[in-house]
Amino acid sequence: ETGVTQTPRHLVMGMTNKKSLKCEQHLGHNAMYWYKQSAKKPLELMFVYSLEERVENNSVPSRFSPECPNSSHLFLHLHTLQPEDSALYLCASSQVSGGLNYGYTFGSGTRLTVV
Amino acid sequence: KNEVEQSPQNLTAQEGEFITINCSYSVGISALHWLQQHPGGGIVSLFMLSSGKKKHGRLIATINIQEKHSSLHITASHPRDSAVYICAVTSKETSGSRLTFGEGTQLTVNP
Repeated sequence: ETGVTQTPRHLVMGMTNKKSLKCEQHLGHNAMYWYKQSAKKPLELMFVYSLEERVENNSVPSRFSPECPNSSHLFLHLHTLQPEDSALYLCASSQVSGGLNYGYTFGSGTRLTVV
Repeated sequence: KNEVEQSPQNLTAQEGEFITINCSYSVGISALHWLQQHPGGGIVSLFMLSSGKKKHGRLIATINIQEKHSSLHITASHPRDSAVYICAVTSKETSGSRLTFGEGTQLTVNP
């Protein structure tokens, strides 16, 4: 375990389902992230939560909804997804200080398949 | 064109060979990261660089800020080094919490 725990590891859902991905970090970091990794593409930032900012990638569809109840937990709520949303979803955390990221740590990811 | 370009995209080596993966970027940066992703998805941070050179075991990372270029070297490569290696930068124009990623280099080391 890296200190960032993601559940579930695998998820198969229908297009009409509602599900949530969970991420938890025990590193005392002040920033958490959701990334999407599709085949043959660079990691794509979806959402950032940190003491300094909350950032959304404007290209992320509204069927993805983040929630960050505290600095250790991050959720990604999914509803009415499309097959093209099938991908690996990675959570990460870091300590942001003085404009730099320290200790960038990723979870193992959730492999999502939308059928 | 991606702000972060890696080469090569794919690399196959024999066990014991010296390996170099390159990363070029087009923006002013605060720091550059090298990451390793094994099959199954887990990503591990290898280095964070803002200047010079860092070494950890058989891994060496260098950066030339003037040329906007970084290299990751692996000495005495081993099959367990097989993974995707990803370069990422923190741009000076954005906050410290954002990274921009290259597409990754798939390394395969054969026994």
